[in-house]
Amino acid sequence: DQQVKQNSPSLSVQEGRISILNCDYTNSMFDYFLWYKKYPAEGPTFLISISSIKDKNEDGRFTVFLNKSAKHLSLHIVPSQPGDSAVYFCAASDPGAGNMLTFGGGTRLMVKP
Amino acid sequence: DAGVIQSPRHEVTEMGQEVTLRCKPISGHNSLFWYRQTMMRGLELLIYFNNNVPIDDSGMPEDRFSAKMPNASFSTLKIQPSEPRDSAVYFCASSERIVGNQPQHFGDGTRLSIL
Repeated sequence: DQQVKQNSPSLSVQEGRISILNCDYTNSMFDYFLWYKKYPAEGPTFLISISSIKDKNEDGRFTVFLNKSAKHLSLHIVPSQPGDSAVYFCAASDPGAGNMLTFGGGTRLMVKP
Repeated sequence: DAGVIQSPRHEVTEMGQEVTLRCKPISGHNSLFWYRQTMMRGLELLIYFNNNVPIDDSGMPEDRFSAKMPNASFSTLKIQPSEPRDSAVYFCASSERIVGNQPQHFGDGTRLSIL
C-alpha cells in the first residue's frame, strides 16, 4: 500500500517554462512534506519542505503547494533550466512512525534547451 | 564540509558471498538511515539508528541482512549470504535528529550486483 504516490514517471518541459511535479498521499497524519532531487549516480539531495499547517512555501525558483483536503502537493519550478533535469522525489514524515520518511516513486524531469 | 561517505561505490560479487557496505555520516549528526532503491519498490527504509542505537529495523527484508553502528562515525550493512534479488542501490543518510522537517543528507550510494 503506497502512502505516497507520484503518478507521473516522467515530465518534459522547455527551458524557461514552468515545471509542475505532483504528489499524492493517503495518510492524513503526515506532518511534513519534503522534495528531494536526484542526479544519476548521486544520492538524493534535499530541495524544499513544507509543514502540513502551511499551504505554500517558496525558495527562489522553487515553490511547493499543499492542498490538505485533496491530500495533494506539487512542486513548481519557474523558470525551468536544463540543470534542473533530474529525478524528483516527494517524501512525507509521519510523527506516528517516529518521523520516518516515506518516499514516492519519483518523477524524471527533462528540461530541454 | 564532507557529506555522507559510502563505500564501496560499486560491488559485484557472486551469490552466497558476504557483502559489507560502509557508511560515514556527517559529523555531529545523531541519526543514521539505511535505504535500498530498486525499480520495483523505489526507495525503502531498511533500518535507522539514533545515537548509535538501532531504533527500527522493521524494513530489513530478512535475517540475512544486519546493520551495526559501533560508534557515531561509522555504520555497516551486511548481507550474508547474498542473493541475486539483493541487487540494488543502497543509500546511507544522516540527519541531526529525527524531526519531521529535518532533512536527511544522503550519500552517493553503493550499487550492488549479485551474480
